[in-house]
Amino acid sequence: AQSVSQHNHHVILSEAASLELGCNYSYGGTVNLFWYVQYPGQHLQLLLKYFSGDPLVKGIKGFEAEFIKSKFSFNLRKPSVQWSDTAEYFCAQVDGSGGYNKLIFGAGTRLAVHP
Amino acid sequence: DGGITQSPKYLFRKEGQNVTLSCEQNLNHDAMYWYRQDPGQGLRLIYYSQIVNDFQKGDIAEGYSVSREKKESFPLTVTSAQKNPTAFYLCASWAGGAFFGQGTRLTVV
Repeated sequence: AQSVSQHNHHVILSEAASLELGCNYSYGGTVNLFWYVQYPGQHLQLLLKYFSGDPLVKGIKGFEAEFIKSKFSFNLRKPSVQWSDTAEYFCAQVDGSGGYNKLIFGAGTRLAVHP
Repeated sequence: DGGITQSPKYLFRKEGQNVTLSCEQNLNHDAMYWYRQDPGQGLRLIYYSQIVNDFQKGDIAEGYSVSREKKESFPLTVTSAQKNPTAFYLCASWAGGAFFGQGTRLTVV
């Protein structure tokens, strides 16, 4: 079965610091990758996704992610975080085995940004 | 507005009772999913359905059941056989990416 690993469970940053959250996926043929964000009390929202093409993907709210096939990685980055980025971030991969598309999630990373 | 509606937002049940969580979508998506979210474990797949009258077990289906009689609806029943039912439950549909409902927080006492 495919799996997604997020190595940082909790990250604490000051405003204006740069952010990089790690995500490693398991190989499963076609690679479709996602980053979702869950703000406190809100539902999961799509930040960005990678299906093919340019490995540097830009998403909403200034986030970007880089797909590095040789490292099985899809790390999320933001050059300068804001207090409003405090949230939980989930990396996910599509598992298409068995002819059905399923979204497999990592354990999540809780980001706290201090003013 | 198109989207996924889960109800209720909070649900309390006594141990040993079955409970059904509602999920409705008006996005005209074929695929729908149920996930369970626990702190530090991310989202784990309970059941999924690609089309009406068809559904598949996910990674943690034991103690749960679903039905898919209509395209718009994918209710999840948490049965008394589920050993640790207290959790946050998320319903999603799929079209090039997953769209999530606001979730139902189930507490079993």
